[in-house]
Amino acid sequence: EPEVTQTPSHQVTQMGQEVILRCVPISNHLYFYWYRQILGQKVEFLVSFYNNEISEKSEIFDDQFSVERPDGSNFTLKIRSTKLEDSAMYFCASGGQGGANEKLFFGSGTQLSVL
Amino acid sequence: AQSVAQPEDQVNVAEGNPLTVKCTYSVSGNPYLFWYVQYPNRGLQFLLKYITGDNLVKGSYGFEAEFNKSQTSFHLKKPSALVSDSALYFCAVRSLWGTDKLIFGTGTRLQVFP
Repeated sequence: EPEVTQTPSHQVTQMGQEVILRCVPISNHLYFYWYRQILGQKVEFLVSFYNNEISEKSEIFDDQFSVERPDGSNFTLKIRSTKLEDSAMYFCASGGQGGANEKLFFGSGTQLSVL
Repeated sequence: AQSVAQPEDQVNVAEGNPLTVKCTYSVSGNPYLFWYVQYPNRGLQFLLKYITGDNLVKGSYGFEAEFNKSQTSFHLKKPSALVSDSALYFCAVRSLWGTDKLIFGTGTRLQVFP
């Protein structure tokens, strides 16, 4: 089965630093998402991306966050100035024609630790 | 507001016995309901979904789930558990109208003992 790949698997950074989390979605997919899971808490929606623009974002996704699909294959999440509370597992997901109505394919995540 | 509740942090069951992982939801309008499973060091994997039609939906690995509109529940079931079913299970809901995001529950850890 096709896979969504995420790099790095672990990222440690200092508070205030910028981080970029990278994802390679499944090649013919159209819908792209970032979710995160703080340890012991529920998986939370951050942002959805379709047709080269953000289609929806949560209240978590403030001005410190941005997403890009720079080259038609990668899908990145940038956090400009990390805060301690950004520490979480970040999951990228992609979906085909039906978007979230169909099954989404999730990557194995990037564990972000902000010190 | 949309929400999903998984009341059990952990479910323990002996191999060969039936299992149930509970999920209730709250959403405006008709819900789209999903179950995903997470194995260690892996991303979430789709198990099954309910959109419309038969209340009992069948999914991967022998799992099924029953949509109960009056009880706003979507419990995951399997007639005979395997040790390899041990994992973290997430219920999720998407409202029919106006949003592309999935709302996940907190997850239930299923432990199947030999």
